[in-house]
Amino acid sequence: EDQVTQSPEALRLQEGESSSLNCSYTVSGLRGLFWYRQDPGKGPEFLFTLYSAGEEKEKERLKATLTKKESFLHITAPKPEDSATYLCAVQASSSGNTGNQFYFGTGTSLTVIP
Amino acid sequence: DVKVTQSSRYLVKRTGEKVFLECVQDMDHENMFWYRQDPGLGLRLIYFSYDVKMKEKGDIPEGYSVSREKKERFSLILESASTNQTSMYLCASSLGMRTATLFGSGTRLTVV
Repeated sequence: EDQVTQSPEALRLQEGESSSLNCSYTVSGLRGLFWYRQDPGKGPEFLFTLYSAGEEKEKERLKATLTKKESFLHITAPKPEDSATYLCAVQASSSGNTGNQFYFGTGTSLTVIP
Repeated sequence: DVKVTQSSRYLVKRTGEKVFLECVQDMDHENMFWYRQDPGLGLRLIYFSYDVKMKEKGDIPEGYSVSREKKERFSLILESASTNQTSMYLCASSLGMRTATLFGSGTRLTVV
């Protein structure tokens, strides 16, 4: 069964304290792995797409990496405004659908304390 | 600025009412999706559409239907609202396979 698991569920960091969020997946035929940021009461905001193992993407204090089994979202020297829920999603070419279906993890809630 | 627009941010409906949630995208995207998001359960796919007048069931289609008469518009219909359909509903769209799905701001629906 296709599955996406994020850890930890919640993370509290001091401002400037770097850390990593994990997204592990068990899907066949990975087409892409996507990271989103979601603020309370709002829709997810797209951050990164990764397509193949070894690929890395960076944006400001965030860096996403991908292996064959998991992805990491590294946060370097976080600021309070980085506080949000970070969601991971995978798109897989499973049978029974058009290949456009996404499987989401339940997210990591990040709080950065000043 | 490209976007996915959901017609309502907050809705309160009574049990048994027929509810329409509207979503419009201005990016000429082929694919459109409806999700609901609940604490501890994450995002769950209700229905998606990869072309006008085409629709596919997602993971939790029971109690819902959809309509896509035009490429830019995808409607979610609750035929007879129930309290267990109280949730955050998110519309999304994507250009095609291997492209990012972009989300609207969400509709917080409360069924009383």
